[in-house]
Amino acid sequence: GAVVSQHPSRVICKSGTSVKIECRSLDFQATTMFWYRQFPKQSLMLMATSNEGSKATYEQGVEKDKFLINHASLTLSTLTVTSAHPEDSSFYICSAVTGVEANEKLFFGSGTQLSVL
Amino acid sequence: GESVGLHLPTLSVQEGDNSIINCAYSNSASDYFIWYKQESGKGPQFIIDIRSNMDKRQGQRVTVLLNKTVKHLSLQIAATQPGDSAVYFCAENGQAGTALIFGKGTTLSVSS
Repeated sequence: GAVVSQHPSRVICKSGTSVKIECRSLDFQATTMFWYRQFPKQSLMLMATSNEGSKATYEQGVEKDKFLINHASLTLSTLTVTSAHPEDSSFYICSAVTGVEANEKLFFGSGTQLSVL
Repeated sequence: GESVGLHLPTLSVQEGDNSIINCAYSNSASDYFIWYKQESGKGPQFIIDIRSNMDKRQGQRVTVLLNKTVKHLSLQIAATQPGDSAVYFCAENGQAGTALIFGKGTTLSVSS
């Protein structure tokens, strides 16, 4: 199956700093990528939909100025958590699709555990 | 809003038993459903999927059943093994090109 690489897998940062998470599709071009957030013992919650070459679409309640998403190429989307605070500590997961027909079998990255001190 | 949920948060079984994990969904327009397995600290791993024009689909040791009348989805795991211990999520997709909506998850614990 298609491979989605997410980096870093774990990051610890101080409150107030910014953290960038990368999501790459390794063997296919991803027209759309999705970013999810998962708190301990909870389900994955969709944060935003990222389309190559256009602005991301954010879910209700997700601050677009805090969670900056850039999808500059068909193989890379980045999520930047700006001015991170302890409440932003969470597991962030990206997923990618190749196109409409292949959409259903979303391929997921391995996740990034963010801990804000 | 509409969402996908699960009936039980935890399920404990003995090795070799069959496991059944259930999921109730509320969006009657959803036409595609997937079961994912997630181990601690990892991303979701695809297990099996089913379209709304089917009511049953089998894979290796796993079977997914879909009852559209009552909007219920289940995952059956045959001869459960300790390696099956994980959190299982059902997810739905109502429209191609849109994100999956995940249920709350069931933690499966398999004891030897």
